[in-house]
Amino acid sequence: AQTVTQSQPEMSVQEAETVTLSCTYDTSESDYYLFWYKQPPSRQMILVIRQEAYKQQNATENRFSVNFQKAAKSFSLKISDSQLGDAAMYFCAYRSWTYSGGGADGLTFGKGTHLIIQP
Amino acid sequence: GAGVSQSPSNKVTEKGKDVELRCDPISGHTALYWYRQSLGQGLEFLIYFQGNSAPDKSGLPSDRFSAERTGGSVSTLTIQRTQQEDSAVYLCASSSTSGSLKQFFGPGTRLTVL
Repeated sequence: AQTVTQSQPEMSVQEAETVTLSCTYDTSESDYYLFWYKQPPSRQMILVIRQEAYKQQNATENRFSVNFQKAAKSFSLKISDSQLGDAAMYFCAYRSWTYSGGGADGLTFGKGTHLIIQP
Repeated sequence: GAGVSQSPSNKVTEKGKDVELRCDPISGHTALYWYRQSLGQGLEFLIYFQGNSAPDKSGLPSDRFSAERTGGSVSTLTIQRTQQEDSAVYLCASSSTSGSLKQFFGPGTRLTVL
């Protein structure tokens, strides 16, 4: 079974600064997907960014980028120019590549990192 | 609707009662997922539907939990004889197909068992 670990329960950053959230995972699979989700107080999970394991190039989405280190099984999220609206819980998630028609399609989440933006 | 909706938004029940949680996926989405978010366990994947079929129910925490989906649309998660440890936020997500990488989440139902 896969596991996802987020070692930072809480992070704080000044508005306009850059912050990096850490995520490591454990898997025996060679192909898989990794995601970062944001959960604001409204509880609705929002996909921030995703990475396919077979791609060496790190994914970027505007101010959000990842540092994907496959050998180290590390998948960190960098948020540049932090904004007040970035304040939320951030979850790292894993999904198997192969469609097995069952639990493999569900996401495995880390425990989350609470990101605080200081004005 | 425009997004995934869940009802009720909040549910308070007494220990031992049965509860039903409802999920309306995005129209046309064939895949539907249930997750549980609790303080102790974090986010756990519970069950997945492709159409009306749930190929794997092993993620359900106990036999008090059941889920169904009818007409390839609405899904209900039923918890019988609720226990205090069932208190959590239950999240539903849908995706256009089972192979789609993007799951759209609903706002969840917060269940409190007294």
